[in-house]
Amino acid sequence: EADIYQTPRYLVIGTGKKITLECSQTMGHDKMYWYQQDPGMELHLIHYSYGVNSTEKGDLSSESTVSRIRTEHFPLTLESARPSHTSQYLCASRVAGGNNEQFFGPGTRLTVL
Amino acid sequence: SQKIEQNSEALNIQEGKTATLTCNYTNYSPAYLQWYRQDPGRGPVFLLLIRENEKEKRKERLKVTFDTTLKQSLFHITASQPADSATYLCALDYRGNTPLVFGKGTRLSVIA
Repeated sequence: EADIYQTPRYLVIGTGKKITLECSQTMGHDKMYWYQQDPGMELHLIHYSYGVNSTEKGDLSSESTVSRIRTEHFPLTLESARPSHTSQYLCASRVAGGNNEQFFGPGTRLTVL
Repeated sequence: SQKIEQNSEALNIQEGKTATLTCNYTNYSPAYLQWYRQDPGRGPVFLLLIRENEKEKRKERLKVTFDTTLKQSLFHITASQPADSATYLCALDYRGNTPLVFGKGTRLSVIA
C-alpha cells in the first residue's frame, strides 16, 4: 500500500466556490504530480513539482494552482469552481531520477453543481 | 511531441487464455517503459518496468517485452483470470526531469 493520501475523497460543491484538494506523502519523494481523469478516459497531467518551491504546469490547461512549501505536501487549489471542473483528481509521487515507479493516491472525486 | 498509442480501447478474452496488450510510441525511445494497472475509481498501480537495453521482463504471470527498433512494448498476462479485468496503462520514462508520458490505456475484460 502506497503512503500517499488525498482528502477529501469525495466533494460536491456549488459553482464559484474556492476549494483546495489535499495531497500528502510520507515517502520523502521529491517529485509530485496532479492528474485529472474523467471516468474511462486518459490521465491528464495538470501540475507537477520536483521539490520544495518548484512547480510546473502540465499538458492540460488548468484554472488551478498548486504550491509546494513542504516536501510531503502538494495541495491543489481551484479559485472558482465550475461544472467543467467535475472530474477525478489523482495525486502521485515518485523518487527523483528515472527507473522508479510512480505511486498514486486514491483520488478525489469532485462534483461541481 | 511524443505520441503513445495502446492498441485498442478494449480487449475481451476467455479465462485461461493469454492476453496481449500493445504499446507503440513515436519519436525517440525512452530509457524505461512502465506498465500500470488501474481499477475503476482508483489510482493506477505500478506493475513492471523494463529498461531500453532489456528485451524481456517477467513477474509471475506477467511478461513485458521492449523493442526499441519497432518502438513497441508488449504486455502479456498468461493464464488470465477474471480478477485481471482492469485498464492497463503503459508509460514512457525518459532520463532527466520529465514526467511520465501515459498512454490512454486498454480496458481488459476476462470472461469466465
